[in-house]
Amino acid sequence: GAVVSQHPSWVICKSGTSVKIECRSLDFQATTMFWYRQFPKQSLMLMATSNEGSKATYEQGVEKDKFLINHASLTLSTLTVTSAHPEDSSFYICSASRGTGVSNIQYFGAGTRLSVL
Amino acid sequence: SQQGEEDPQALSIQEGENATMNCSYKTSINNLQWYRQNSGRGLVHLILIRSNEREKHSGRLRVTLDTSKKSSSLLITASRAADTASYFCATVIQGAQKLVFGQGTRLTINP
Repeated sequence: GAVVSQHPSWVICKSGTSVKIECRSLDFQATTMFWYRQFPKQSLMLMATSNEGSKATYEQGVEKDKFLINHASLTLSTLTVTSAHPEDSSFYICSASRGTGVSNIQYFGAGTRLSVL
Repeated sequence: SQQGEEDPQALSIQEGENATMNCSYKTSINNLQWYRQNSGRGLVHLILIRSNEREKHSGRLRVTLDTSKKSSSLLITASRAADTASYFCATVIQGAQKLVFGQGTRLTINP
């Protein structure tokens, strides 16, 4: 159980276009979903936390108008990279948490590799 | 800034040997978790140890936690080639919901 699906796994786009990444919890309801960014051989940097039905909480330094997050249901969150530029190229990973208890175990998607030309 | 620092950054051992990775953190925590990431993939949760626990086992994994030193270690016994991956510790800071990840250890198991 606790499977998180992330789509697409790889996307190439032209500079200036927008890209949407989907994150779905397949067999559980995710009260909270998280979006991370990871550069090669580096750790995960949390971008934002989203709770179903409310606005996402962005980490310091992350542009909310650049990275639009929607969490419309308990099983789906989307990240849209708007007007993408080459510096947005990165590995984006989502995760989902079952609840808000102290355990906070997160179940991760397989990630999306974004390349902006 | 990252909560955790991991040591070593990279570790290469022979199959069958034990691998030990260490993690240090800065603030008070609710729990500490270890995750594994295969190259180009998402993370897989391995084990969680609560702040009031000192040691935990899961199969070939052994995790220790020393809250007085703000450090944790992950021991993988009888390593296998399939254990090759990056390993991250992550802490849940008291009063917060999010995980804060360490820099990770890249483990290579040589056949």
